Amino acid sequence: AQSVTQLGSHVSVSEGALVLLRCNYSSSVPPYLFWYVQYPNQGLQLLLKYTSAATLVKGINDFEAEFKKSETSFHLTKPSAHMSDAAEYFCAVSERADKLSFGAGTTVTVRA
Amino acid sequence: DGGITQSPKYLFRKEGQNVTLSCEQNLNHDAMYWYRQDPGQGLRLIYYSQIVNDFQKGDIAEGYSVSREKKESFPLTVTSAQKNPTAFYLCASRGSGRVFGNEQFFGPGTRLTVL
Repeated sequence: AQSVTQLGSHVSVSEGALVLLRCNYSSSVPPYLFWYVQYPNQGLQLLLKYTSAATLVKGINDFEAEFKKSETSFHLTKPSAHMSDAAEYFCAVSERADKLSFGAGTTVTVRA
Repeated sequence: DGGITQSPKYLFRKEGQNVTLSCEQNLNHDAMYWYRQDPGQGLRLIYYSQIVNDFQKGDIAEGYSVSREKKESFPLTVTSAQKNPTAFYLCASRGSGRVFGNEQFFGPGTRLTVL
């Protein structure tokens, strides 16, 4: 069975600092992995996805994530936080590309 | 402009009433999904459909019903049997095969409040 754990429900960073959001997954087969972002009262927007082509995945707005099979992790990073990065971020896993299982989400606050 | 539309954006329901949330997509996607979002719980799958005239229950289907008569449309009915329906509801769609990839695309959501 597939599942996702996001470590830390809230992360606060200073503008210009590194953003690191942690995601660990469990899956019985090589998974598809995704990071989505959600702004208040809006739908989810795909940031990036892992589909086994490369372990380091680059997404939109300078976000990237690294797939580490040995650690069953898919952590999301951004080198320099911007005020517009304040949002909620969801990690999701899919074993067969049909259904997604989502983590509980991490809310990012950016301090000026 | 291709995408997913949900209506209405805000919906208020009295206890004991059924309400239907609309979801339409013009992405030519085969699969469509309904999720419920509550604070601190992520997204939970209510129903999904991988093809017209077929759908499956997700993790929290009790008190909800769906239909899939057209490829473009996947309406969700929240029935009076749903004991705690106040939530944010998100619709998504997914293409299939190499052309579309495998990610889900989301609509803007409907916020349902029971009065």
